[in-house]
Amino acid sequence: QSVLTQPPSASGTPGQRVTISCSGSNSNIGSNTVNWYQKLPGTAPKLLIYSNNQRPSGVPDRFSGSKSGTSGSLAISGLHSQDEADYYCTAWDDSLNGVLFGGGTKLTVL
Amino acid sequence: EVQLLESGGGLVQPGGSLRLSCAASGFTFSSYAMSWVRQAPGKGLEWVSSISNNAGNIYYADSVKGRFTISRDNSKNTLYLQMHSLRAEDTAIYYCAKRLRNLWSFDYWGQGTLVTVSS
Repeated sequence: QSVLTQPPSASGTPGQRVTISCSGSNSNIGSNTVNWYQKLPGTAPKLLIYSNNQRPSGVPDRFSGSKSGTSGSLAISGLHSQDEADYYCTAWDDSLNGVLFGGGTKLTVL
Repeated sequence: EVQLLESGGGLVQPGGSLRLSCAASGFTFSSYAMSWVRQAPGKGLEWVSSISNNAGNIYYADSVKGRFTISRDNSKNTLYLQMHSLRAEDTAIYYCAKRLRNLWSFDYWGQGTLVTVSS
């Protein structure tokens, strides 16, 4: 069971805006930054957001991240069919002395 | 262009050992911390272990502590994961990943190597 809690699924229609939440605690998100990855079947994970709200070069600005207290969230605007994937949040945990991954959210574009 | 190429996966019996390698190119390997992350079939991503650029700091997930050893050879631009006492639950695709600067995020990943633990 992941210490970072994500909804198992999310959905939206093309063009819509969806958000995915990631709930943690003081020892992880509360004191460290949140990152987000996109995982398509058969491919390596891709870094979407780091340091709560920073996008690596090449990631469209349709993807945005935020953090408040012990929770983070990923927003995807102008949903595309190719956004259908699994999304994972991560954060360093000071108590475990390791990186935590959320359980993942499967995004379906209807 | 940054490239990470894992190798060494395969079928191993429970209790057996395996060593994974990750050959890095396209960046100054000795300047960056590296990590291993795995994904079991039908499951989510799980961080396994990380090592600093000079191997001075090493971290393990509780699930592999005492059984897995991460190491690196900066002269060969290669990251390793020695796995002992393998269990069925270690069956997964193992990815190596490069750390982004001094942040706990991973900006480049390999394509993964499959480890299957089964009799």
